[in-house]
Amino acid sequence: KTQVEQSPQSLVVRQGENCVLQCNYSVTPDNHLRWFKQDTGKGLVSLTVLVDQKDKTSNGRYSATLDKDAKHSTLHITATLLDDTATYICVVGAQGGRALIFGTGTTVSVSP
Amino acid sequence: GALVYQYPRRTICKSGTSMRMECQAVGFQATSVAWYRQSPQKTFELIALSTVNSAIKYEQNFTQEKFPISHPNLSFSSMTVLNAYLEDRGLYLCGARTGTGDTGQLYFGEGSKLTVL
Repeated sequence: KTQVEQSPQSLVVRQGENCVLQCNYSVTPDNHLRWFKQDTGKGLVSLTVLVDQKDKTSNGRYSATLDKDAKHSTLHITATLLDDTATYICVVGAQGGRALIFGTGTTVSVSP
Repeated sequence: GALVYQYPRRTICKSGTSMRMECQAVGFQATSVAWYRQSPQKTFELIALSTVNSAIKYEQNFTQEKFPISHPNLSFSSMTVLNAYLEDRGLYLCGARTGTGDTGQLYFGEGSKLTVL
């Protein structure tokens, strides 16, 4: 069973629009949650780290929330640009260990 | 700034041969290095975690005999895929962490893509 599920699997937005990505997980106990951006065929770029029971972070046009009670996180991309076209991956860090559990990713395509 | 360089970026090897990939931390000290594999159409799997002054810990389904790792200092790690076969193809990522906490900065290289013919 997938421990970190992301939705939607893919979406298409027009440049300038906002979008929201969802991440639900069943990892227990959970220590922190990270969002990464992966351009096609490339590595991962860290966008944010969420740590607290109910946390919010902001990094430019990216903002994220975490609710550990609900085991749910969101990533908001505001005023999308063509360069935002990528796969966004939610990663949960397990408590007490260094292991990271990766989600399957949401592929975002930004059209002109 | 802090970066992780991985090389080679791409390798094509014949079935049964081996491929070595390297991971260089620049601008920070990598207290731990994790190697991951992203197989086609799949998410990332942890292969092994190497922490300074500790034994390298391999995940289930991955062994030292198949994926030997060297982590000689705080800026360098290498991993070899021995006797590579079709199921070993994918993008291999090196993730390096600073500090000792779980929520410290985590940097990934751009990956080494392995194609097996």
